[in-house]
Amino acid sequence: QVQLQESGPGLVKPSETLSLTCTVSGGSISSYYWDWIRQPPGGGLEWIASFYYTGITNYNSTLKSRVIISVDTSTNQFSLNLSSVTAADTAVYYCAREYSYSSLDLWGQGTMVTVSS
Amino acid sequence: EVVLTQSPGTLSLSPGERATLSCRASQGVSSSYLAWYQQKAGQAPRLLIYGASSRATGIPDRFSGRGSGTDFTLTISGLEPEDFAVYYCQHYGNFMSTFGPGTKVEIK
Repeated sequence: QVQLQESGPGLVKPSETLSLTCTVSGGSISSYYWDWIRQPPGGGLEWIASFYYTGITNYNSTLKSRVIISVDTSTNQFSLNLSSVTAADTAVYYCAREYSYSSLDLWGQGTMVTVSS
Repeated sequence: EVVLTQSPGTLSLSPGERATLSCRASQGVSSSYLAWYQQKAGQAPRLLIYGASSRATGIPDRFSGRGSGTDFTLTISGLEPEDFAVYYCQHYGNFMSTFGPGTKVEIK
């Protein structure tokens, strides 16, 4: 059974870089597209980016200049780096697997990241 | 960029009632790339419907989706206590995904 688990610091200072990792267990990272999504407290879902292990990456145009996605197939992990963060980047961050026609059928439990000094 | 609008913002219903949720796209979209999710408080979203009308694995048949072009609907034929949650529609197109703002289905 494939499972996803996000990990990373829960607190990031303004202007610094938010770095999160998603670990895929029970399956290969090389078989699907994978996404990052976030949700501010009390708010809706915002798609951040998606990628394929070969390096194909798609970004939310509003975040593209600050986002870097990387993947390590040897450890079955992929990462999100979001630079120059502000309080507006405070959110629960989810990683997810793309299924049929880019629907997201498998989600991590999410990790809360607060941007504050 | 496609903008998704969901209505109503909140739906107050009793268990056993039928819920009809709307998702409208700012321009015509492929129904193949329209999905619905359920999210309960403190949990990750769960995929309910993909391709506008196909139920995801393990989803009860009281959940159904339909629509095309700009108008899509999620119907819950008879609300169970566990169905009270927030529902989001999602579209993928032009190499990006967008989510609607959500509809909260609450107990009346």
